[in-house]
Formats: sequence, structure tokens, C-alpha cells
Amino acid sequence: GAVVSQHPSWVICKSGTSVKIECRSLDFQATTMFWYRQFPKQSLMLMATSNEGSKATYEQGVEKDKFLINHASLTLSTLTVTSAHPEDSSFYICSAGETGGWNQPQHFGDGTRLSIL
Amino acid sequence: AQTVTQSQPEMSVQEAETVTLSCTYDTSENNYYLFWYKQPPSRQMILVIRQEAYKQQNATENRFSVNFQKAAKSFSLKISDSQLGDTAMYFCAFRVDQGAQKLVFGQGTRLTINP
Repeated sequence: GAVVSQHPSWVICKSGTSVKIECRSLDFQATTMFWYRQFPKQSLMLMATSNEGSKATYEQGVEKDKFLINHASLTLSTLTVTSAHPEDSSFYICSAGETGGWNQPQHFGDGTRLSIL
Repeated sequence: AQTVTQSQPEMSVQEAETVTLSCTYDTSENNYYLFWYKQPPSRQMILVIRQEAYKQQNATENRFSVNFQKAAKSFSLKISDSQLGDTAMYFCAFRVDQGAQKLVFGQGTRLTINP
């Protein structure tokens, strides 16, 4: 089946550091990928929709300058948390749908646990 | 805007029992998809079952089945012969059949299967 690989799975860094998270579709092409944030014991909150070759679409309340998204190819989207602070600590998950597979479910990465000290 | 509501924050049943998780949604769309995802402690999102709104027949996947009531905008998940491995957070999700196809998630239900 379709696999989405997300790296790193866990990162700890100092406040002020920028952190990049990668989301790759391993055996399919994804025109669109999605980035979610999940706080402990809460649901997934959509942050932005990543579109290959164009600007990402951010949800209301998400700072686009804080969370930079790049979707340079049909198999890779990256989320960069710029100048991260402790309040950015969270679990980040990406998902991807197969291009042309409008009736297919999205496939999720295993998530990235981000801890800012 | 679409919303998804799961009114049961936590549920607990004994192994081998049957349990039903409720989900309601609100939308003005006619064509859409509904999903149940499972998130075990590993936090991996696992698709349990999905339902196309245009299909009247309820979806079934082994021990998992849904009761889809389109008019009532209800989409409950029934787990039969529950197993210890079913312990997880369960999220109901909605997706329209057009546009960006982003998922809207409910708040989740924490299900515990006791031995």
C-alpha cells in the first residue's frame, strides 16, 4: 500500500532554532499534502495544505512566516518551524493523497514529536 | 464550514464485548466521504473504515462496521468482539468530494479495552 515517510520522528532543540520536518510519499505522487498539529490528548488540527509548485494554503490563525511550507516535488513537502519557541512544542503529522485519487483516503506519516527547550 | 462532533471523550469495555462510538457532522454538501481513524499509543494514524455518502449500504471491515444515517448526519462505528489491540484514540473525519479534499476531524474518543 501507499506509504508516507516523515522525518525526523523526534527532535529536541533549543529555543530560537529553526527545525525542518520532511514528508515524503514513497510509492506514489502527491500533488497535495497536508500538515497537522496535535496537542496531547487532543484532535488533529489542520495547519496548512501544501500544493506542489505553488504556495501553501494556511488555515486561519496559523502564522505562515512561522511555519514555512515548501512542496518542490510530487513526492516531498517540508515544514520548517522558524525560530522555534517552547510553545511550538507539539506533535506534527503530515498526510498525502494520491494524485488523481480523489476517492482514495489520505495516507499519514508517523508524525514528528517536536520539543523546544 | 463542516464540523464533526464526537460526544464521547472516553469509553471503556471488556474484551470480547461490542462497543459503539458515535459521530455526528454538519455540512451542506451532498457528496462527501466519512472516515474512522484509529490512533494507538504509537500515534500512528490508521484508517479503520470509510463510507461514501452516495452509498446507502453501510461499510463493513471485518469486526468494524458503521451505521451511516445521512439524513441525521450520523456516522457511528461499531466494534464487535473487541480486542485488547483495539485500545486507542478513535477519530471520526469528514472530507468533501471536491476542492482541497482536506480532512476535518472530530475531537476523538479514547477507547480502552479491558482484559
